[in-house]
This record gives sequence, structure tokens and C-alpha cells, in this order.
Amino acid sequence: SYELTQPPSVSVSPGQTASITCSGDKLGDKYASWYQQKPGQSPVLVLYEDTKRPSGIPERFSGSNSGSTATLTISGTQAVDEADYYCQAWDSSTGVFGGGTKLTVL
Amino acid sequence: QVQLQESGPGLVKASQTLSLTCTVSGGSISSGSYYWNWIRQPAGKGLEWVGRIYTSGSTNYNPSLKSRVTISVDTSKNQFSLNLSSVTAADTAVYYCARGVGAARHFDYWGQGTLVTVSS
Repeated sequence: SYELTQPPSVSVSPGQTASITCSGDKLGDKYASWYQQKPGQSPVLVLYEDTKRPSGIPERFSGSNSGSTATLTISGTQAVDEADYYCQAWDSSTGVFGGGTKLTVL
Repeated sequence: QVQLQESGPGLVKASQTLSLTCTVSGGSISSGSYYWNWIRQPAGKGLEWVGRIYTSGSTNYNPSLKSRVTISVDTSKNQFSLNLSSVTAADTAVYYCARGVGAARHFDYWGQGTLVTVSS
């Protein structure tokens, strides 16, 4: 079965750039989406079709997807960005999520 | 503004069937090219896609659950439903419904989630 691999945790200082990777076989040939989840809340879409931001998502969120790795980049990270982040893609008609990355803003 | 709301029993006995409903408001469930999904999350763990139903009624399920899952839609009530049979403690989770859309079939709207506990 298709798998997406994320680092369990990433730490960043306020104002710095955080990068969260998501790896999967030929992931660059698929679209990746990214979701932010804060404790006790439902996930929120922050990026779709690799690089697109939904309305209301700050410009500091950006993405890329090439080869076998998709990357979520948060520029000028703020304390409010501390959350779990999940990548997601489709393997044919099966939805697959990465295991999630806990972003800590120190 | 589209809103999704899960409903159903919070406690299910092992070996029985888990049944949840997602009510969609702010738009018709049968309009547009949307997929209606169920996603679950055990406490302290990651997200797991359970399955989806398209507006045409066609379905896709997670292969690991396929033998136990049925998703259906009731357009007259603007609802779609999840049935998961022969549940065990491993099925205890927060269950979310979510709308899928676009080329990436990304999940743009989510329900608040409902906790279902399987008791022995």
C-alpha cells in the first residue's frame, strides 16, 4: 500500500523558516495537500494542489512537490503556527495521510 | 458557507455496527463535483481516510477497512452516512466527515468530529 512519511517533529524559533517534508514513491506525480490541526480542533486545509493557499491562509505558508518529496514551508513562523501538520495524497482512489509532524515554535 | 455536522452514538459495543451521519448545510450535497468523505483519528494518533462517496453515488473505501465499510448518501436529507461493521477497540476514534473537491480532491470543509468509543 502507498505510504507517506513525515518527520515526527520539527522545531523552529519564532520568525524563522520551518520546513516539513512528506515523502512517498513518485509523490511529485501526484497532488499533495497539507492540513494543520491544533489540539482539540478539526484539521484545516492550508495548502492544496502542492502550492495553492485557500482563502484566509497567510502568505507565509508555501509548498513545493517534486520527485518523491513534498515540502510545506512556513516563513516567519509565529507562535500561532504551532500545531500538527499532515500531508495527504491520493493513490488512485485511495486517500493516504502522512503520519503527521508536530511543529514546535520555541 | 458550507457546514458539516456528524451525529450518531458515542458508544458502540464490540462486534456491533458503528453508524454515523453527516449533515451538510449551506449547499446541496448533490450539486457540484464533490466527494463526501469519512476520516478518523484515534486519540493521540494521526488521520486515517476511511472512504468517500461521490455525488453520483459511487464509492471508494480504504482497502484496510473495505470489507466492513459502507458509505451511503441521502440527497433528500442532504446527508451521507457511514456504517462500520464488526467493530473492535481499534475502531475507537474521532470520526470526521469532510468535503473533497478539485483536482487534488482536497478536503476543504470538515465537521467538528465525533468521538466513538467501542466497548467490550
